[in-house]
Amino acid sequence: DTGVSQDPRHKITKRGQNVTFRCDPISEHNRLYWYRQTLGQGPEFLTYFQNEAQLEKSRLLSDRFSAERPKGSFSTLEIQRTEQGDSAMYLCASSRSGLFTEAFFGQGTRLTVV
Amino acid sequence: KQEVTQIPAALSVPEGENLVLNCSFTDSAIYNLQWFRQDPGKGLTSLLLIQSSQREQTSGRLNASLDKSSGRSTLYIAASQPGDSATYLCAVNFGNEKLTFGTGTRLTIIP
Repeated sequence: DTGVSQDPRHKITKRGQNVTFRCDPISEHNRLYWYRQTLGQGPEFLTYFQNEAQLEKSRLLSDRFSAERPKGSFSTLEIQRTEQGDSAMYLCASSRSGLFTEAFFGQGTRLTVV
Repeated sequence: KQEVTQIPAALSVPEGENLVLNCSFTDSAIYNLQWFRQDPGKGLTSLLLIQSSQREQTSGRLNASLDKSSGRSTLYIAASQPGDSATYLCAVNFGNEKLTFGTGTRLTIIP
């Protein structure tokens, strides 16, 4: 079963360091989403791609955050100069195009900034 | 503002009982609604997807209903088991290409 795959599963970093996460979507899905979830909260939308085009970014995505999907397949999310407030679970999801499609999520990357 | 609310935040139920989880949303013009399960420290597992034109969806012991006019959805779990213990999240597609989530209901099934 080739579901949505995220790497790494856990990342501990020192404040001020840069981190990069990877997401591999389900192969036939051309939509890819990034969400962030903090403890006790539901996931919040960060950004999404249709193929390689980044179509929307949330205001939660500060200038320190950048996401890419260079060939319309896997995606990376980079956080520069990490802050303690960046500590969260970063979730990736994918779906087919269209407004009525089901989203499938990966296992997430847990980031802890110390 | 488009919001999704789940009450209660936590629920404990003896094993074997049937239970209902609630989800409410502020805008009735939805495209679909999805229920997810999340185990501690894990990602989200999709349980059921209900399209805006549907009233309910069933999968095994799970049944999800949708009432757009009242802005409500329920997830019914029959004959609960300890393995059902998890956080259940409701997410709504308001037609803006992303999901808006509630804060979830943490369910504990007592053996």
